[in-house]
Amino acid sequence: DGGITQSPKYLFRKEGQNVTLSCEQNLNHDAMYWYRQDPGQGLRLIYYSQIVNDFQKGDIAEGYSVSREKKESFPLTVTSAQKNPTAFYLCASTPTGTYEQYFGPGTRLTVT
Amino acid sequence: GQQLNQSPQSMFIQEGEDVSMNCTSSSIFNTWLWYKQDPGEGPVLLIALYKAGELTSNGRLTAQFGITRKDSFLNISASIPSDVGIYFCAGPTSGTYKYIFGTGTRLKVLA
Repeated sequence: DGGITQSPKYLFRKEGQNVTLSCEQNLNHDAMYWYRQDPGQGLRLIYYSQIVNDFQKGDIAEGYSVSREKKESFPLTVTSAQKNPTAFYLCASTPTGTYEQYFGPGTRLTVT
Repeated sequence: GQQLNQSPQSMFIQEGEDVSMNCTSSSIFNTWLWYKQDPGEGPVLLIALYKAGELTSNGRLTAQFGITRKDSFLNISASIPSDVGIYFCAGPTSGTYKYIFGTGTRLKVLA
């Protein structure tokens, strides 16, 4: 089946630890995105990438890092510098030539 | 910066009723997207709109791209319990591939 996968669904970490969230897509989409969602709020853009080996900061990039070494993969690292990392993280991708954005199932990260 | 305002923030309706919600922006959009999100899941794309005045349907859902390009509307006819969820509007900001999202309309359907 084609789609976007995020793993794991739930992730727990201790404060001060870096953690990497996985996002993989087999849709052959060029663009990939990471969003953060907090309760009762809309989605906020963390990072996005239009092509391999290139990415841009979104509105709330501080404390996060990404890489785009392969078209299919766009992992997000939540670093210890992120002051409030507990949130629901969503990965998305967009095919070239359209603006239709498709989402993965999300990863809920809890940092204590 | 650009913002998308959704109205209403929440709705409680009876099963079988029709639902209307809207999304407005202070600036022009060239594409409007409507999503539904169930609790703990990723948003699912319902409808994409590309032209001012465009009216597009997907089953019981109908969405319209406002003529001013600053608003969009989503209607759900004959609501059923599985329509429960949060509906988001979204669009790419002008000249970029960055998207902004509305804060959502939470729909609850009473059987």
